[in-house]
Amino acid sequence: DAKTTQPPSMDCAEGRAANLPCNHSTISGNEYVYWYRQIHSQGPQYIIHGLKNNETNEMASLIITEDRKSSTLILPHATLRDTAVYYCIVRVGNTGGFKTIFGAGTRLFVKA
Amino acid sequence: DGGITQSPKYLFRKEGQNVTLSCEQNLNHDAMYWYRQDPGQGLRLIYYSQIVNDFQKGDIAEGYSVSREKKESFPLTVTSAQKNPTAFYLCASTLGTGYGSTEAFFGQGTRLTVV
Repeated sequence: DAKTTQPPSMDCAEGRAANLPCNHSTISGNEYVYWYRQIHSQGPQYIIHGLKNNETNEMASLIITEDRKSSTLILPHATLRDTAVYYCIVRVGNTGGFKTIFGAGTRLFVKA
Repeated sequence: DGGITQSPKYLFRKEGQNVTLSCEQNLNHDAMYWYRQDPGQGLRLIYYSQIVNDFQKGDIAEGYSVSREKKESFPLTVTSAQKNPTAFYLCASTLGTGYGSTEAFFGQGTRLTVV
């Protein structure tokens, strides 16, 4: 199973871009990179996902390197409400099913 | 509105008692999952089910049991054999199995405390 490595915590000033890195050097060709975030004592919330190309939605942008061994989640204009734990995960599966692996994530602090 | 609902939000249990956590989804998702989260930690997979009447153990299944009698329901029982059951429990569901780009939807969690 591919695993991910993220910094334990990051700070960001309100209104600035937050760039959250993730390493997934053992990712295989069929595996997608997903990002979720978890605000304290709530269930994780889906943010964005991608396979090879960069992706953008109303919440964030996802930049995946050409070799797919790392990616960066970008929150273009961070707000105080973006303070949360951000999880970078790689979807794993087999012929019988699916498992999602969540590590400790990156705790993002957005400061006024 | 479609979604996934966990109940109760807070649960207290005496040592030696079994307790069942509810998880219901109306998303018509085939697969459902239970995770455990300890303070400051990530999520660990307890059990998952890809289809009705079938389920598999995750990484930390000891002391837990599940059933999947209906597509929309995946209850988790924390048994007295679970040595350290106090934790935050999360239920999730996805559209299908195998590789693919379907996202997981999570419930709001149940915080279980053993007193």
